[in-house]
Amino acid sequence: ETGVTQTPRHLVMGMTNKKSLKCEQHLGHNAMYWYKQSAKKPLELMFVYSLEERVENNSVPSRFSPECPNSSHLFLHLHTLQPEDSALYLCASSQDARGAPYGYTFGSGTRLTVV
Amino acid sequence: KQEVTQIPAALSVPEGENLVLNCSFTDSAIYNLQWFRQDPGKGLTSLLLIQSSQREQTSGRLNASLDKSSGRSTLYIAASQPGDSATYLCAVRGTGGADGLTFGKGTHLIIQP
Repeated sequence: ETGVTQTPRHLVMGMTNKKSLKCEQHLGHNAMYWYKQSAKKPLELMFVYSLEERVENNSVPSRFSPECPNSSHLFLHLHTLQPEDSALYLCASSQDARGAPYGYTFGSGTRLTVV
Repeated sequence: KQEVTQIPAALSVPEGENLVLNCSFTDSAIYNLQWFRQDPGKGLTSLLLIQSSQREQTSGRLNASLDKSSGRSTLYIAASQPGDSATYLCAVRGTGGADGLTFGKGTHLIIQP
């Protein structure tokens, strides 16, 4: 484990379901991120939270809704997803929003399949 | 908009060889550059972090260099081993306030025993 824990590891959901992904870090970091990794594409930044405030929403559809209740926890709430949303969703954290001084730490990801 | 390119996309070499992976980025206004490895179906493991003021970083058999002005970084792997087989990702953090990391597509590396 890297210090960033994601649950569940795998998730299969129907297009009408509502589910949530969870990310937890106990590294004392102040910034947390959601990334999406699809086949044949680079990792895409979805959301950035710094000191529990969202500072970036990278044109992500509203069917993805993030929540950061405190500096250690980050959630991604999912509803009415499409099959093209199937991907590996990765959570990351860093000491500050610039990635200083030690860079970014990633979790193991949640493999999401939308059926 | 920052773009990161990694060459080659795939590489297969015999065990024991030294090899170089390349990364280029279009906007030199970066805070840092980070190299990661990713095993199939897994998350990212950080290998090396280079701050914009640094020229290189070393960890064991790995050495990463950064030439910010030309928008290039290389990851050098010495005496490759089968356990080095993975996808290697290069990512840069821009100087924009709300930037996260921008990633390349990665180099898929296979070390033949």
